[in-house]
Amino acid sequence: KQEVTQIPAALSVPEGENLVLNCSFTDSAIYNLQWFRQDPGKGLTSLLLIQSSQREQTSGRLNASLDKSSGRSTLYIAASQPGDSATYLCAVRTSGFKTIFGAGTRLFVKA
Amino acid sequence: EAQVTQNPRYLITVTGKKLTVTCSQNMNHEYMSWYRQDPGLGLRQIYYSMNVEVTDKGDVPEGYKVSRKEKRNFPLILESPSPNQTSLYFCASSLWQGSDSPLHFGNGTRLTVT
Repeated sequence: KQEVTQIPAALSVPEGENLVLNCSFTDSAIYNLQWFRQDPGKGLTSLLLIQSSQREQTSGRLNASLDKSSGRSTLYIAASQPGDSATYLCAVRTSGFKTIFGAGTRLFVKA
Repeated sequence: EAQVTQNPRYLITVTGKKLTVTCSQNMNHEYMSWYRQDPGLGLRQIYYSMNVEVTDKGDVPEGYKVSRKEKRNFPLILESPSPNQTSLYFCASSLWQGSDSPLHFGNGTRLTVT
């Protein structure tokens, strides 16, 4: 059974710092991996999607990588800003069309 | 505007009173899905649908029903709600179930069952 783990559970950094969020999964037979942002009481906003055949995707200050063989993905945020404060979730779509989420990393960027 | 719309946003009900949470998307997406989000447990998939009249169970389907009679709509039905179904519910859709189709989420429905 696919399991998705995110480390750390919470992270506090000063503004301007570069940071890395981690996501690991137990079964490498995935269709894709998607990173989301969730603000308190709000829905999920898609940040990046990496297909199983890809190694990384970039959007602005965000870069996501995927290493299927080791069951790991990272989300790199450059030059963090207070507006980046949110919970970041990774989700794996399996070959059976289910989507399994990690528990998330709660990020706080201090001004 | 392309979006996934859920209604209602907030719902308080009593044990055993049937309810339906609606979900509609205007993007002509084939794939639709329901999730619940609980503190400490994260998001868990309830049901999903790969197209009209095609639905399948996710990881936590007990106590829920769904239907997909039209491509744009995917309602979640609680025939006899219980307090353990108090949760934040999300509907999501994607163009198809392929690897290049991102999930798009609605704004959520907060359900309280007393």
